[in-house]
Amino acid sequence: AQTVTQSQPEMSVQEAETVTLSCTYDTSESDYYLFWYKQPPSRQMILVIRQEAYKQQNATENRFSVNFQKAAKSFSLKISDSQLGDAAMYFCAYRSAPGVKSGNQFYFGTGTSLTVIP
Amino acid sequence: DGGITQSPKYLFRKEGQNVTLSCEQNLNHDAMYWYRQDPGQGLRLIYYSQIVNDFQKGDIAEGYSVSREKKESFPLTVTSAQKNPTAFYLCASRPGQAYGYTFGSGTRLTVV
Repeated sequence: AQTVTQSQPEMSVQEAETVTLSCTYDTSESDYYLFWYKQPPSRQMILVIRQEAYKQQNATENRFSVNFQKAAKSFSLKISDSQLGDAAMYFCAYRSAPGVKSGNQFYFGTGTSLTVIP
Repeated sequence: DGGITQSPKYLFRKEGQNVTLSCEQNLNHDAMYWYRQDPGQGLRLIYYSQIVNDFQKGDIAEGYSVSREKKESFPLTVTSAQKNPTAFYLCASRPGQAYGYTFGSGTRLTVV
């Protein structure tokens, strides 16, 4: 099974500043998808951003962007102009490409709790 | 609005009892999943189903059972064989070839 590692259990950032959350993964596959999910205090999981491994260009969604380093198996999330509403638990997730048996499930990291300081 | 509904939001179980968590979706998604979330352990897969009347064990299926009699519904039963059932349970779904999950709002199960 693939493993996803988030080495920062907790992070904090000043409002309006930038923060980067780290994620590394272990796989022997060449085609897969990577995701960042946000879980606010309501505990509703919300998709933040996704990246297809075959794309060299880093994905961007408004203030959220990723730094995808395929060779290093690294997938960090950068949050720019941090807002109070960004405070949440953030999970990195891996999924194999469709058609691969393990592509039926996601593998999640243990999460990073982000605090935004006013 | 389309989405996934999990009920109840909070559930209390006495030791030795079976309880069933409900998960209903109106998104017409083929695949449905049950995850368990514990502090410091991320999400772990319990069971998943890709089509009606078919389901597969995930990484931590022991002590749990599921059914998939309708496309819209994927209930999870926590049996008395599950020795440590207190956790937050999340149901998710996705269309056949889409990339991401849609999650429900979860059920918090506590053994009393």
